[in-house]
Amino acid sequence: KNQVEQSPQSLIILEGKNCTLQCNYTVSPFSNLRWYKQDTGRGPVSLTIMTFSENTKSNGRYTATLDADTKQSSLHITASQLSDSASYICVVSDYNTDKLIFGTGTRLQVFP
Amino acid sequence: NAGVTQTPKFRVLKTGQSMTLLCAQDMNHEYMYWYRQDPGMGLRLIHYSVGEGTTAKGEVPDGYNVSRLKKQNFLLGLESAAPSQTSVYFCASSYEGKANEKLFFGSGTQLSVL
Repeated sequence: KNQVEQSPQSLIILEGKNCTLQCNYTVSPFSNLRWYKQDTGRGPVSLTIMTFSENTKSNGRYTATLDADTKQSSLHITASQLSDSASYICVVSDYNTDKLIFGTGTRLQVFP
Repeated sequence: NAGVTQTPKFRVLKTGQSMTLLCAQDMNHEYMYWYRQDPGMGLRLIHYSVGEGTTAKGEVPDGYNVSRLKKQNFLLGLESAAPSQTSVYFCASSYEGKANEKLFFGSGTQLSVL
């Protein structure tokens, strides 16, 4: 079983709408949780990095939240744009090994 | 600043052939990594390097070799390609490899082994 599970697998929204992507993890203890954006045919690009003590972090229209008690994180995208169409990957860093454990991603499509 | 550059972008190999993927970074990063990305799976670490002249095994190292002769370059070799190595390969780098550091990824190499 993957230690980092993301939902939904895919999502379609209209331009201008908001959306929230979910990440549940079992990695424990963990040192940080990251969200990456991966455009088709490109490598992942870092959006946010949150340590275990942080609850929220923003990067423009992207806001990540973290609940370390329930081992859940979410990525909220506000006022979506066509350029937000991409895969969004949740990554958790294992505190003991420093190993990064990648989720399989949520594929977001934004239509006009 | 080009960041992390990977060559080639696409390659098709026959089973048993060999090839080398090149990764170059111009950010003076110490740590470099090779990942593979397969459908329905998260990125998996193949090999990594903590500095010039060093290499270490990751999660899925079998069938691959690496070398870091220069700080800015990290090479991934397939000595005898197998269909199971069909994947998208990503190189990444980070400054000091610390837990909270950002990883910078290249654009990937799509490899098909027939």
